[in-house]
Order: sequence, then structure tokens, then C-alpha cells
Amino acid sequence: GQQLNQSPQSMFIQEGEDVSMNCTSSSIFNTWLWYKQEPGEGPVLLIALYKAGELTSNGRLTAQFGITRKDSFLNISASIPSDVGIYFCAGPGGNSGGSNYKLTFGKGTLLTVNP
Amino acid sequence: DTGVSQDPRHKITKRGQNVTFRCDPISEHNRLYWYRQTLGQGPEFLTYFQNEAQLEKSRLLSDRFSAERPKGSFSTLEIQRTEQGDSAMYLCASSSRGANTEAFFGQGTRLTVV
Repeated sequence: GQQLNQSPQSMFIQEGEDVSMNCTSSSIFNTWLWYKQEPGEGPVLLIALYKAGELTSNGRLTAQFGITRKDSFLNISASIPSDVGIYFCAGPGGNSGGSNYKLTFGKGTLLTVNP
Repeated sequence: DTGVSQDPRHKITKRGQNVTFRCDPISEHNRLYWYRQTLGQGPEFLTYFQNEAQLEKSRLLSDRFSAERPKGSFSTLEIQRTEQGDSAMYLCASSSRGANTEAFFGQGTRLTVV
């Protein structure tokens, strides 16, 4: 089946630094979703991307839908302690078949911010 | 209605017992999903409803698992004869009509089988 590979697996940064993480796939995706999950909670949707090349911002977060449709990037500017959590990329369906509504998730990038 | 609601938040059960979890989706959403998440992994798809119809089930969903959405509103996920390997976070999500694939998740039910 299709897999999403996220890198890095973890990041430890100082407050105020910018962060960049990415997600790649061997399959083409028509949508990229970025979620954040905090301990003991469900994932929270941060940004949704629907067009190749699209760049979308949500506050200090910016995500891009790669032109090849096989990758996406998430950037966080001026990180703060509450940015701590696991960031997941996800995509529905894909050209390997299956429902267009079920999501495939990466394994996540664990972000730790040192105050 | 502010989001997807799941109950209970935590469940500890002895191996071999049956457990049932409930999910109340966002009220105007007609699609409802169940996912399972284990430590260090992203959520994995289990099953999906459109209104009351269960349209897709993952191979992860063994015969001991059953999900229902009888009136197209809330859903239940039952696990019979629980095993230690069933210990995980069970997440429910919902999404709206149309081509929109944005899914909104509940807080999850953490199951521990002892």
C-alpha cells in the first residue's frame, strides 16, 4: 500500500527558531493535510492543500503542496513552547486505489521547543 | 456542537472482555471514520461510514471488531474478546458532504487491555 515518509522523525529546537519538516510519497496525492497531535489528544487539522504548487498559511504555519504531487512541506516560524507536539502529514486515496476519503498518515515528526 | 466527541476517554479492560466505544460526529457531517493509533505511529484507517452505510473496512478490522452507525448520526465500535494487542488509541473522525476530504478528529478513546 501507499506510504508517507516524514522527516525528520524528531526535532529539538530553541524557542524563536524556524522549523521545517517534509513528507514524501511514492504515490501521487490530490490533497495534503497537516495535523498536530498533543499527548493524549486526537489530531487537530492545521492546513489543507488541494492544488499542486499551492502555498497556504495559517498564522505562523505555512505549508506547500509539491509540484510533483508526491511531497509537501510544513514550516513553522518563530516557534513557541506551545508548538510542541507531533506533526502528521496525511493524504486521501491516491493512485494506488482505495477510497478517496480514508486518510493515510505518516509516522509524524516530534517537535520539542526549548523555552 | 463544537467538534467530534468520543466516550469514554479511557478504558481499561481484562483480556477476553468486550468493550464498546461511542463517537458523536460534527452534526452536519455525513461521513464518519474510525482509526487506530499505536505508540510511535500515525493513525491507521479502520472503517468508514457515509450516513448509515459502512462503505469500507480495513484488513486491520478483524472479525472481533464491529462498527455501526444505525441512524447515520453517532457510531459505536465494539471489540469482542479483547486481546492485549488491541491496546491502542481509537480515534473517530468526521467530514462533510462533497469532495472535501478534511477530517476532524475526536479526542480518542485510550484502550488498555490487561
